[in-house]
Order: sequence, then structure tokens, then C-alpha cells
Amino acid sequence: GENVEQHPSTLSVQEGDSAVIKCTYSDSASNYFPWYKQELGKRPQLIIDIRSNVGEKKDQRIAVTLNKTAKHFSLHITETQPEDSAVYFCAANQGGSNYKLTFGKGTLLTVNP
Amino acid sequence: DAGITQSPRHKVTETGTPVTLRCHQTENHRYMYWYRQDPGHGLRLIHYSYGVKDTDKGEVSDGYSVSRSKTEDFLLTLESATSSQTSVYFCAISVLGRFTDTQYFGPGTRLTVL
Repeated sequence: GENVEQHPSTLSVQEGDSAVIKCTYSDSASNYFPWYKQELGKRPQLIIDIRSNVGEKKDQRIAVTLNKTAKHFSLHITETQPEDSAVYFCAANQGGSNYKLTFGKGTLLTVNP
Repeated sequence: DAGITQSPRHKVTETGTPVTLRCHQTENHRYMYWYRQDPGHGLRLIHYSYGVKDTDKGEVSDGYSVSRSKTEDFLLTLESATSSQTSVYFCAISVLGRFTDTQYFGPGTRLTVL
């Protein structure tokens, strides 16, 4: 089955700096890669996603890049703010299915004022 | 919130007792999921459903059963709870989009098994 590895497990940055979280996946059939943000005590919420027919997608300060050949994708957050502090999860769909996701183990991002 | 509610939101129970968690959605989405979240493990799929009475196992299904007798409700049952099932349980639904289905999560249920 699909295996998704996520690094680093913790990341601490100064406010205004950039943060990068990386994920690798094993299933070459995977073609959908969402990212979720989970604040303490809250539910995971989708922040951005990318399909395999594009290499990069941006939404304001957040961007995701995808390298299908290397089977890795990354989340980039620029100009970090304290409210970006949360756990971030990457995911990949299993076997190209629209319905089943495999999640990485998460990255705790702390943005220090 | 994609119209998802979970009940109860918190539960403390004892080893060996049965526990049922409920997920309710208001928008007739076909796919529903149960995940558990544990420190260091991320979100792991327990079971999912692709329609009334249609369910399948995820990666950590041992010790859990599910039922879906109505489109709007997906129940997760721990027949005999164990301490290893202490976790936060999230229900999710898939919302059909233009290119793919997007999963949205419920608020979660924190279960403690003593």
C-alpha cells in the first residue's frame, strides 16, 4: 500500500521567515496531494492541494510543489506569522483513488514572535 | 464545517465495555471515513463507507466495526474497548469536486479507555 513519509517532525522558525515541509510517497499511481493544517484541539483543515498534472500551486503565502519523478512534494509557507503555528499533515491518494488518503505523521510548526 | 457532527465529543470508559461513536452529515455525501489520531502516528484510516450498508476496512481496523444504515450516519463501534484504543477519533466525508474529491473532517471525539 501507499507509504507517505513527512519531514521534519518539528520545525521552529522566526516570524517572517519561510518554512518548508517535505513529503515523499511510494505509490506511483498517486495523483492527488492535499495538505491539512491542524491547530491545537481542532480538526484538520484543508489548506491547499495539488494534482499531478501541475508542478506548483500557490495561494497567497502558501505554495505546494510536486516532483512526480522523485515522488516528493513540499509545502512552502512564506512570511510566517504566529498564527501559522500548528501541525501540518501531507497526504496522498492511494492507488490513484479519489477516495482513500494516506497521511504523513505530521509536522509541528512553531513560529516564534 | 461541511455539515459534519460527531457525538459524543468526549468519552471516558472502562476496559471491556462497548463504545459507539456517531458521525452525522447533513449533505448526503456518499463517502464517509473514520480515522484515529495518535501522537507520532498522524491520521490512520480505520474504516470507510461508500454507501448505505457498503463499508470497507482501512489500515487499523482490528477491534473496530462500523455500520451505515442511513446515508447521513456512520457509526464506529468498539465491541470491547482496550486501553490501546484511547485516541482522538475523527470522522470525515468526501465532497465531490470538479477534479477530485476533497475530504473534510468532523470536530473529533476524544476517547479515553481506563
